[in-house]
Amino acid sequence: AQTVTQSQPEMSVQEAETVTLSCTYDTSESDYYLFWYKQPPSRQMILVIRQEAYKQQNATENRFSVNFQKAAKSFSLKISDSQLGDAAMYFCAYRSAAWSGGGADGLTFGKGTHLIIQP
Amino acid sequence: NAGVTQTPKFQVLKTGQSMTLQCAQDMNHEYMSWYRQDPGMGLRLIHYSVGAGITDQGEVPNGYNVSRSTTEDFPLRLLSAAPSQTSVYFCASSYRDRGANEQFFGPGTRLTVL
Repeated sequence: AQTVTQSQPEMSVQEAETVTLSCTYDTSESDYYLFWYKQPPSRQMILVIRQEAYKQQNATENRFSVNFQKAAKSFSLKISDSQLGDAAMYFCAYRSAAWSGGGADGLTFGKGTHLIIQP
Repeated sequence: NAGVTQTPKFQVLKTGQSMTLQCAQDMNHEYMSWYRQDPGMGLRLIHYSVGAGITDQGEVPNGYNVSRSTTEDFPLRLLSAAPSQTSVYFCASSYRDRGANEQFFGPGTRLTVL
């Protein structure tokens, strides 16, 4: 079974600064997908960014980018020019690309990092 | 499009009571799933479905039943509620194609079992 580890329960950053959230995962698979989800106080889960494991190029979405290190099984999220609206819980998640058949198919989440933005 | 809708938003049950959490999506997604979120934890997969008439267990299925009679609806049933089932429940849906398909989440149901 896959596991996802987020070692930073809480992070704090000044508005307009850059912050990096860490995520490591454990898998024996070679083909998979990685995601970062944001959960603001409203509780809604919002996809921030996704990465296909077969792609070497790191994904970027505006102020959000990832550092994907497949050999190290690391998938960190960098938020540039932090804004007050970025304050939320951030979850790293893994999904197998294999057609699971009888196995469980879905996202495996880490425990999350609470991001605080200091004005 | 309403996306993924869940009802109710909040529910309080007594131990032993049964209830059904409703989930519906209007995006014609084949794949639907249920997760629970406990304090200090990420979301954990309860059950999922890859299409009408097909369901399977996730990581934490005990105490829950599901069925999928239509593409749109995927209800989650608690047969005999226990305090350990106090949690926030999320329904999600996506297309079934192999790929990094975005899973769309509903707003969640906060369930308290006394």
